[in-house]
Amino acid sequence: EPEVTQTPSHQVTQMGQEVILRCVPISNHLYFYWYRQILGQKVEFLVSFYNNEISEKSEIFDDQFSVERPDGSNFTLKIRSTKLEDSAMYFCASSEGVREDTDTQYFGPGTRLTVL
Amino acid sequence: AQSVSQHNHHVILSEAASLELGCNYSYGGTVNLFWYVQYPGQHLQLLLKYFSGDPLVKGIKGFEAEFIKSKFSFNLRKPSVQWSDTAEYFCAVNKVSGGGADGLTFGKGTHLIIQP
Repeated sequence: EPEVTQTPSHQVTQMGQEVILRCVPISNHLYFYWYRQILGQKVEFLVSFYNNEISEKSEIFDDQFSVERPDGSNFTLKIRSTKLEDSAMYFCASSEGVREDTDTQYFGPGTRLTVL
Repeated sequence: AQSVSQHNHHVILSEAASLELGCNYSYGGTVNLFWYVQYPGQHLQLLLKYFSGDPLVKGIKGFEAEFIKSKFSFNLRKPSVQWSDTAEYFCAVNKVSGGGADGLTFGKGTHLIIQP
C-alpha cells in the first residue's frame, strides 16, 4: 500500500539555523499538508498546498516558514531561523482530492525536530 | 474557527470491555468528522470518517462512531476491545468549504491502554 514518507526521522539543530524537512507524498495525490505536534499538545495544522501554491495556512505559519514542491515527488517545509519553540514532531500528509470521497489525508511517520 | 474536545485523555480497559471515547466539536457550519488512530511506533491512520448520510459510521477493526448533530458530538465506540487496540486515538474535523484544501483540527487525543 502506498505511504507518505518523511526524512529525516529526527533532526537536531541549533537555534537560528535553517532546517528543511522533506516529504514524499503518495504519488497520485494532489494536495499536500504540514502539521506539527509540540510534545504534550494537539496536532496543529500549518499549511496546505495545491497546484504549486499555498491553499490555506494557519496563524502558526508565519514568515519563518515556507513550503515548496521542488520536483515531481518531494514536498518540503523550510524553517528559516529556528527557535526553541519550533521543537516538535512535524507530520506531512497528502490527499487525492478535496471532495468527500477523495479528501482523506494520509499521514507520514513524522520528523522529530529538536532545536537546541 | 473550529475546535475539538476529547474528554478522556487516558483510558484503561480490560480486554473484552466495551469502549466509548467522547469527541465534541464547535463550529457553526458543516464539518467532516474523522477518527484517526496511532499505534505505538506507527503513522496516524484513518479509522473512520463521516461526511453525510447515515450518522452511524462503521470503520476498520470493528470501530464505529455516531454523529449527533444536535450535540456536536462524534463518539467512537467498540463493543469488545482487544489488547491490540492499545493506541492513541484522535478525533478531527475539517470544515466543508468551496474546494480549498482545509486542514484538520485535531483533539488532544486519548491514550487507550488495554490490559490483557
